[in-house]
Amino acid sequence: RKEVEQDPGPFNVPEGATVAFNCTYSNSASQSFFWYRQDCRKEPKLLMSVYSSGNEDGRFTAQLNRASQYISLLIRDSKLSDSATYLCVFREAGGFKTIFGAGTRLFVKA
Amino acid sequence: DAGVTQSPTHLIKTRGQQVTLRCSPKSGHDTVSWYQQALGQGPQFIFQYYEEEERQRGNFPDRFSGHQFPNYSSELNVNALLLGDSALYLCASAHRGRRYEQYFGPGTRLTVT
Repeated sequence: RKEVEQDPGPFNVPEGATVAFNCTYSNSASQSFFWYRQDCRKEPKLLMSVYSSGNEDGRFTAQLNRASQYISLLIRDSKLSDSATYLCVFREAGGFKTIFGAGTRLFVKA
Repeated sequence: DAGVTQSPTHLIKTRGQQVTLRCSPKSGHDTVSWYQQALGQGPQFIFQYYEEEERQRGNFPDRFSGHQFPNYSSELNVNALLLGDSALYLCASAHRGRRYEQYFGPGTRLTVT
């Protein structure tokens, strides 16, 4: 089983839609979860950390389900500017290594 | 407030050559990590430096080495380049108190011919 798995998409949604991505991880001891976004040919940028209790930042909501070993990202009221690749990231248990998923591509269309 | 900077932006090398990539962390950051990103993939962790020491290495051969300087800047060296080393090399910095909230530089795109 891969360390981390993401649906590569692409997800094609209209403006204003709600879209959700999941990311599963294989090591139950993994810690420190994040979502990054990466625009085409640009560097990844931290979108938000993911806390056990779930957290929200404006239109974005992140959740962690340790029992099922996945994190999720929900985007409400999608904007054209949300078009990007969304990368899930977590820290390997007991170390400093961070592991990135391959990313989920989102296209928001007018 | 300067962000993470990397140099050079692009580089073309021949198989067997050696390359050095450079990274200056964001102001106030003391931890630097290096990643390799192939097209269509997520960044792959190469190693992390803190207090001038390599803290952990990913699944990369010894041809990949690094260094962190007292001013927290860092270098990534790759020896005996292979065609498969062609990729975007990203540097990310963080503050030791929030080590996993990383800020990335724009990357160095390395092409090996």
